[in-house]
Amino acid sequence: SQKIEQNSEALNIQEGKTATLTCNYTNYSPAYLQWYRQDPGRGPVFLLLIRENEKEKRKERLKVTFDTTLKQSLFHITASQPADSATYLCALGGSGSARQLTFGSGTQLTVLP
Amino acid sequence: GAGVSQTPSNKVTEKGKYVELRCDPISGHTALYWYRQSLGQGPEFLIYFQGTGAADDSGLPNDRFFAVRPEGSVSTLKIQRTERGDSAVYLCASSLYGTASYEQYFGPGTRLTVT
Repeated sequence: SQKIEQNSEALNIQEGKTATLTCNYTNYSPAYLQWYRQDPGRGPVFLLLIRENEKEKRKERLKVTFDTTLKQSLFHITASQPADSATYLCALGGSGSARQLTFGSGTQLTVLP
Repeated sequence: GAGVSQTPSNKVTEKGKYVELRCDPISGHTALYWYRQSLGQGPEFLIYFQGTGAADDSGLPNDRFFAVRPEGSVSTLKIQRTERGDSAVYLCASSLYGTASYEQYFGPGTRLTVT
């Protein structure tokens, strides 16, 4: 069955450092992968999308890589700030009419001042 | 503009009762999704609408769950004979439809508690 694993349930880093979150998957061939941010009591908020034929995407302080051979995505937040503290969710999407997302369980990131 | 809205924000019901959860998507978004999220887990897909029709309902756990979107906008998720295991946050999301529009916009969710 399809399985998505995100590294450690919680990650604590010091302000200003780079946070690196991992998403590994098995038994899946996604057409694209997305990263979402979720704050307590709120719905997920879309951050970045990377397609199967792309290696890397950047948006401001965020960077995502996608290795379909390793079946892994890495999500980086550079120059992290306490406001970046949240749960980050990895989600895989299919192609064609299969538009629903399959989510990992998330990594809770805390940026310490 | 307005985002996805969901009502009620919280719903407490007794085991065996019927509940309806409502979702108002972003205007113009033809795709609408329902997910369920348990504590400490990521959202789990339930059903996806394209327009008025359910394009994929493979995530509905059993026949107690049903969803409609009669006019292609507002959607209602209906749960019959609720069980304690149905307790979760029910999230609705909407998106444009097209090859360049895969990101989904989520509402704040409805927290359902079955006692």
